[in-house]
Amino acid sequence: DIQMTQSPSSLSASVGDRVTITCRASQGIRNFLAWYQQKPGKVPKLLIYAASTFLSGVPSRFSGSGSGTNFTLTISRLQPEDVATYYCQKYNSVPLSFGGGTKVEIK
Amino acid sequence: EVHVVESGGVVVKPGGSLRLSCATSGFTFADYGFHWVRQPPGKGLEWVSLISWDGATTDYADSVRGRFTFSRDNSKNYLFLQMHSLRAEDTALYYCAKNRVPYGDGREEAEFWGQGTLVTVSS
Repeated sequence: DIQMTQSPSSLSASVGDRVTITCRASQGIRNFLAWYQQKPGKVPKLLIYAASTFLSGVPSRFSGSGSGTNFTLTISRLQPEDVATYYCQKYNSVPLSFGGGTKVEIK
Repeated sequence: EVHVVESGGVVVKPGGSLRLSCATSGFTFADYGFHWVRQPPGKGLEWVSLISWDGATTDYADSVRGRFTFSRDNSKNYLFLQMHSLRAEDTALYYCAKNRVPYGDGREEAEFWGQGTLVTVSS
């Protein structure tokens, strides 16, 4: 099975900072990668699919990039409402594994 | 407006069985595939199972294969997860989630998620 590894597992940054989260696949998955945001006590929300396409309504400060085995989620200017845990998920083949998550906090 | 509502989560003894339901509305149910994703208390997301739009394809995580069965009733817009031989490690909040795009074989990203139903396996 393809393993999905996220880093870091947690981070603390200041409002306005640029934040980058990395997701690595143990084998190539082309661009079959999604990013989800889960705010504390809330349901996961799909932010980005196909590695870099964001859903309508997602703030433009969020962006995704990558293909193959290396992917990134970037928040260009961190806002207080971005406090959440972010998960990547591959969906090219079963199992549709999630990464372990990255918890983002405000410093 | 899309609605996805899970039910059926309870406390069950190890080795027991349980059936979760997922009621949906607000879209053409028969056109979409779905997933079950679970989240143990305080932990990350784990994909459990998928079903394609036509029910022809189902697949499972190795941790539940052979014990869980995902099915759908297109006449009632319902989904079901039948769970057998439950273990303590199956304890989690179980989410039902609708795929973003219609048709396909089920291997798509999940756009709409329910609030989840809590399954606790404990003696």
